[in-house]
Amino acid sequence: GAGVSQSPSNKVTEKGKDVELRCDPISGHTALYWYRQRLGQGLEFLIYFQGNSAPDKSGLPSDRFSAERTGESVSTLTIQRTQQEDSAVYLCASFPHSLSTEAFFGQGTRLTVV
Amino acid sequence: GENVEQHPSTLSVQEGDSAVIKCTYSDSASNYFPWYKQELGKRPQLIIDIRSNVGEKKDQRIAVTLNKTAKHFSLHITETQPEDSAVYFCAASMGGSQGNLIFGKGTKLSVKP
Repeated sequence: GAGVSQSPSNKVTEKGKDVELRCDPISGHTALYWYRQRLGQGLEFLIYFQGNSAPDKSGLPSDRFSAERTGESVSTLTIQRTQQEDSAVYLCASFPHSLSTEAFFGQGTRLTVV
Repeated sequence: GENVEQHPSTLSVQEGDSAVIKCTYSDSASNYFPWYKQELGKRPQLIIDIRSNVGEKKDQRIAVTLNKTAKHFSLHITETQPEDSAVYFCAASMGGSQGNLIFGKGTKLSVKP
């Protein structure tokens, strides 16, 4: 596809369950970010992958959050033992490996924890 | 840690007026400053960006200014139209690297017809 793809687009889960969110970046983009956007709030940085370097996990809010990325391909964000405060839109963005620094965003996954 | 402050959080203007949104950043190594527009229910989209080697950039009704000494940059929208209504986010690259963007908390702009 031409853009960043995220799945699922919507996820409703019960408190305490684990969820896995997926991001397919644009082919060839080496950098990938996850952000969290709570209702009416700004973009909160979670984690950053750049090529084969160690990811920057400094934005992960707790050890219930983890993310993986294999090479320059798909990334998954996993939230264990979900809590109601995890309800938000989770956005993925990728950057091309070039002089361009524009972030291309996916449509996001709207997570609702009930 | 490094952060980006954005003001105001909400802004209401009459159609045809100008709108100005301001951001300050803390990392003196920041060298890239994009602005994103997010319409309701949609993904953020880049509308304009500026690098640290220039002080101003314009694209039709949108302009961005950068003051590296003061570590602040601003978005200016002239002749606002109702379709400009959205949330606008500023961002600054951290650590001098292209990818580590820290975003401001956003400004909700409402343009009244």
